[in-house]
Amino acid sequence: NAGVTQTPKFRILKIGQSMTLQCTQDMNHNYMYWYRQDPGMGLKLIYYSVGAGITDKGEVPNGYNVSRSTTEDFPLRLELAAPSQTSVYFCASSYSGRDHEQYFGPGTRLTVT
Amino acid sequence: KQEVTQIPAALSVPEGENLVLNCSFTDSAIYNLQWFRQDPGKGLTSLLLIQSSQREQTSGRLNASLDKSSGRSTLYIAASQPGDSATYLCAVGSARQLTFGSGTQLTVLP
Repeated sequence: NAGVTQTPKFRILKIGQSMTLQCTQDMNHNYMYWYRQDPGMGLKLIYYSVGAGITDKGEVPNGYNVSRSTTEDFPLRLELAAPSQTSVYFCASSYSGRDHEQYFGPGTRLTVT
Repeated sequence: KQEVTQIPAALSVPEGENLVLNCSFTDSAIYNLQWFRQDPGKGLTSLLLIQSSQREQTSGRLNASLDKSSGRSTLYIAASQPGDSATYLCAVGSARQLTFGSGTQLTVLP
């Protein structure tokens, strides 16, 4: 199993550009999550999904969109990138929301200039 | 709103020492608590998951405890090694998400 994979690893965007961060898991997990981590800080939840076709906002959803058309994939879309979105983005998955640990991808380091 | 605090923010110890990392949280209505390790520029590796009904979990040299009533968890590392140097994050689980602390950056000196 590859676990949770994310692409790209690094990206530089100009202000106002858009991009999609890809996330795929091969563990047949129902729950998937997107977090961002700013320097010296813990992770904050952006969006999560409890299954294909079901998504919900986390703590910091503004400026982002998600979709979940399959169990495996959970892409994160940034529209009109802003410098405040410079961060490291982590995707995670778990079998369920309460009794199972979350498994994390390697992250995408995004810089908006 | 759940808040998670980890103190100290950084810790430096000589090799071989036993050490304790602390995590406190404000809302005791949790489902679980998870400890992670993060190496520089890398993702998170899960170390231990403690369910709300459990008091502790052990894995090798690591032991994590949970006291829900006082809103505290500790991660005990025995016989520390330079390879243990990393940032350790605790995260408190509600029904649908984890709330993270800011982490403790551990350096184990040879």
